Amino acid sequence: DQQVKQNSPSLSVQEGRISILNCDYTNSMFDYFLWYKKYPAEGPTFLISISSIKDKNEDGRFTVFLNKSAKHLSLHIVPSQPGDSAVYFCAASITGNQFYFGTGTSLTVIP
Amino acid sequence: GAVVSQHPSRVICKSGTSVKIECRSLDFQATTMFWYRQFPKKSLMLMATSNEGSKATYEQGVEKDKFLINHASLTLSTLTVTSAHPEDSSFYICSASATSRAYEQYFGPGTRLTVT
Repeated sequence: DQQVKQNSPSLSVQEGRISILNCDYTNSMFDYFLWYKKYPAEGPTFLISISSIKDKNEDGRFTVFLNKSAKHLSLHIVPSQPGDSAVYFCAASITGNQFYFGTGTSLTVIP
Repeated sequence: GAVVSQHPSRVICKSGTSVKIECRSLDFQATTMFWYRQFPKKSLMLMATSNEGSKATYEQGVEKDKFLINHASLTLSTLTVTSAHPEDSSFYICSASATSRAYEQYFGPGTRLTVT
């Protein structure tokens, strides 16, 4: 049973525009959420995270929004750059001991 | 930033043999290390969580006798795939969690295992 879902397997965005990647979860016990970026044949790289007590966290061009009532989080990248093209995984954690990953969204930023 | 290495990056082995994959945290101490397997076009699947000095906790459906995990020190964990079969061919990724920042894992570059 997939507890963390990324329903869009791929997304294409024009350079300079906003990229919005979405993630839904089912377990209300999740207390920490993370986004990872992954290039082919490499391990994921941590991008940004948010605690369940917050609804927004911003780091440069990356902002993560959390809507607990909807069990939904999203990653906004603005402005999008060609180097942002990668697969993005969202993940959710319970007390930092268990991590559940979504299936990933492949982002392509078109120059 | 925190660096996690894996060795080897690629390995090809014959069916029935065993393969060991090493995961090292290079510049921090990791009390917890995680082992993942990634299937094509699918998510990372957590296989097991290992804490230094104790037995690994395996996820449901993962055979602990087939995937042996040893977390010998705060900087090294090993995954041994025993009696490998072609269906074990996959991309194996480890990650390490630093003591003070347990929520943020740092991933190794992965190991591509091909069993012929």
